[in-house]
Amino acid sequence: QVQLQESGPGLVKPSETLSLTCTVSGAAISDFYWSWVRQPPNKGLEWIGYIYNSETTDYNPSLKSRATISLEASKTHFSLKLNSVTAADTAIYYCARGLIPGAEHDAFHIWGQGTMVTVSS
Amino acid sequence: DIQMTQSPSSLSASVGDRVTFTCRATQAIDNSLAWYQQKPGKAPKLLLYSATRLQPGVPSRFSGSGSGTHYTLTISSLQPEDFATYYCQQFYTTPLTFGGGTKVEMK
Repeated sequence: QVQLQESGPGLVKPSETLSLTCTVSGAAISDFYWSWVRQPPNKGLEWIGYIYNSETTDYNPSLKSRATISLEASKTHFSLKLNSVTAADTAIYYCARGLIPGAEHDAFHIWGQGTMVTVSS
Repeated sequence: DIQMTQSPSSLSASVGDRVTFTCRATQAIDNSLAWYQQKPGKAPKLLLYSATRLQPGVPSRFSGSGSGTHYTLTISSLQPEDFATYYCQQFYTTPLTFGGGTKVEMK
């Protein structure tokens, strides 16, 4: 059974870098697209970006190039870095896996439980 | 970017009701649409894929239809566990985008 678990600081200061990790268990991290999705408190969902096989990434232009997603060499987890954060980046951050192996444009089948990140001084 | 608009933003219904809500895209998305259910404090759960394909384990009272820019999710007989917020998402192109959600509340 595939499981995803987000981890990282729950509080980040404005202008600093938000760093989160998603640990994958129960499946190989290859073959699928792995995404980050966020949800501000009591608001809707926003796709941040994805990574595939360490080589392919794509990001939501709304983040103005502040996001970087990387896949660790061990290939058991992938990470998100979001720099120059503001209060608008306060949200629950989810990692998620695509439904269809190798499908670049895909729905999100497996989700982590989410981790709340607050941007505040 | 493809904008997804869901309507209504909320609705009140009773157990046993048939409920339908819609999702419209700003351009044709060729049935590249997913529906999710989200309960408070939980991650979204994928219900339907490619507009009409029910995910394994999802009750058959959920169904999807549509084409082009207009899609619908129907719950044929609302059950107590169905009170939640429902989101659509297009996967036709990046950036992948979600609708604003429809919250189904108990009347």
